[in-house]
Amino acid sequence: AQRVTQPEKLLSVFKGAPVELKCNYSYSGSPELFWYVQYSRQRLQLLLRHISRESIKGFTADLNKGETSFHLKKPFAQEEDSAMYYCALSGRGGGSNYKLTFGKGTLLTVNP
Amino acid sequence: DGGITQSPKYLFRKEGQNVTLSCEQNLNHDAMYWYRQDPGQGLRLIYYSQIVNDFQKGDIAEGYSVSREKKESFPLTVTSAQKNPTAFYLCASSISSGQGHEQYFGPGTRLTVT
Repeated sequence: AQRVTQPEKLLSVFKGAPVELKCNYSYSGSPELFWYVQYSRQRLQLLLRHISRESIKGFTADLNKGETSFHLKKPFAQEEDSAMYYCALSGRGGGSNYKLTFGKGTLLTVNP
Repeated sequence: DGGITQSPKYLFRKEGQNVTLSCEQNLNHDAMYWYRQDPGQGLRLIYYSQIVNDFQKGDIAEGYSVSREKKESFPLTVTSAQKNPTAFYLCASSISSGQGHEQYFGPGTRLTVT
């Protein structure tokens, strides 16, 4: 079974401070990990995925297979980063294994 | 305007009535999904369809039904058997159901059953 855990429901930081949103997963194999973001009054959208190794809006995330983690980081938070963030996992092997399993989300608030 | 649309935005129903939520996409995506989003619960998969005329149950399919008669459309029916139907429902699509494909989400439908 695949599972995603986001231990923090709420995270509050000040503008300019570093931010780290934690994500741990459980999957017996090589998963694909994603971060999705939902800004206020906007649709849920993909922020980044681990295979692309991109930095999107200053955010990065590294897959740590040893710790089974995929934490999302940004060195200097901005007020516009305030949103709900979801970590998600997709398995391998065809059929229902490809479906996305989401964590429960972390609501990030960046204070001025 | 390309994308994925859901209607209506808000829906109110009396307990015991079935209700159908619409989801349409013009992205030419093969795969479509229905999720339920509850506060503190994240997104939970209700049903998904990898191709036309085929669909599978997700993690919380009880009390729901779907059809996939056309590639563009994946309506969800919330039946009277669903014990807690009041929720925010999200539809999504992806180019295929393989690993790594980005899912594109609709704006959602908030269903309130009283």
